[in-house]
Amino acid sequence: DVKVTQSSRYLVKRTGEKVFLECVQDMDHENMFWYRQDPGLGLRLIYFSYDVKMKEKGDIPEGYSVSREKKERFSLILESASTNQTSMYLCASSSWREKKNIQYFGAGTRLSVL
Amino acid sequence: QQQVKQSPQSLIVQKGGISIINCAYENTAFDYFPWYQQFPGKGPALLIAIRPDVSEKKEGRFTISFNKSAKQFSLHIMDSQPGDSATYFCAASVYNQGGKLIFGQGTELSVKP
Repeated sequence: DVKVTQSSRYLVKRTGEKVFLECVQDMDHENMFWYRQDPGLGLRLIYFSYDVKMKEKGDIPEGYSVSREKKERFSLILESASTNQTSMYLCASSSWREKKNIQYFGAGTRLSVL
Repeated sequence: QQQVKQSPQSLIVQKGGISIINCAYENTAFDYFPWYQQFPGKGPALLIAIRPDVSEKKEGRFTISFNKSAKQFSLHIMDSQPGDSATYFCAASVYNQGGKLIFGQGTELSVKP
């Protein structure tokens, strides 16, 4: 069974802290994605990666960076957390091998920045 | 041009009724249109998807209607059940853009018993 695991369900951080959100997938997928979900705005793509050590900016990359040192792990980094980064963060993965473009999501990390 | 616009933002339907959620897009290069379903506390999961070579796809109580000329597509949930209460997202993609999906704003559906 397909599994995308996000390391934390809830996080509370202080303004200015460096925050790491971790995502691991066990499906040997090439592609991984980070989204943030806000009411009325849907899912907005922050960064994505097609391969190890590769990364591409999504629609809202400002204030974020990512790291993909291993195929199964994709980390989202908030260099200096701000209150406007309080949100639900979702990780997803997909594979070129599948005929259909299906993204598999983790359960999300709800981040509060105080 | 990359946007997908979804409406309504929220929807309340009586049990047994039909739920209809609409989406519109601008980019004519989009060639794959999935719908994702998200229950509280869970990540979104693929519900049903359509390619532009057909006008309708049905899976059980869920149907996608696709209007290529109007650049619109919609999700119909027949005989809606309380267990269908969830947030629904439409999405669109261009396959050669590496699986990147453009999501709509989401619709929170509540089915009342």
